[in-house]
Amino acid sequence: GAVVSQHPSWVICKSGTSVKIECRSLDFQATTMFWYRQFPKQSLMLMATSNEGSKATYEQGVEKDKFLINHASLTLSTLTVTSAHPEDSSFYICSARWALYNEQFFGPGTRLTVL
Amino acid sequence: DAKTTQPTSMDCAEGRAANLPCNHSTISGNEYVYWYRQIHSQGPQYIIHGLKNNETNEMASLIITEDRKSSTLILPHATLRDTAVYYCIVRDGNNFNKFYFGSGTKLNVKP
Repeated sequence: GAVVSQHPSWVICKSGTSVKIECRSLDFQATTMFWYRQFPKQSLMLMATSNEGSKATYEQGVEKDKFLINHASLTLSTLTVTSAHPEDSSFYICSARWALYNEQFFGPGTRLTVL
Repeated sequence: DAKTTQPTSMDCAEGRAANLPCNHSTISGNEYVYWYRQIHSQGPQYIIHGLKNNETNEMASLIITEDRKSSTLILPHATLRDTAVYYCIVRDGNNFNKFYFGSGTKLNVKP
């Protein structure tokens, strides 16, 4: 149990386009989901906390208009990178908190490359 | 911000125990210590967590000092597949249980 999926696993897009990444908890309900970004050879950086049915909370320095987060259901959160630029190229990872066990389970990540 | 410090890298011989240290000197009374690992280009994998007592599961053991200012993750019989970056994280219990990752320890298991 406690599987988190992400789609797509990798995406290449042109500069200026928007990209949507989905994060799903497959076998549990997640009241809270988290989005991270990881640059090569660096650690994970928390971007935002997403609670079902409410607005996401962004970490300092993360542009909320740039990274749109929607958490419409207890099993799905989406991250949209708007007007992507090459510097947005990164590994984006989501996690979901299973309230029953108060644990975070991570997705496999999405590799975004902006040309 | 991350509340933990870990060595950048460690080597371990295959079949031997790997002991990964972590300092969390500013930990608060209600904050848990979590360990995750990340194999290249994958999402982090949960290993173990604890509050103040030592913990053991099928993957590892977690030893937390009595003052809770440091801990050690023990992989009893390291294999080549245990080569990964290991993250020690103090969970922020007052703020949606957020995780702030530190730089982690790259464990190299060698034959």
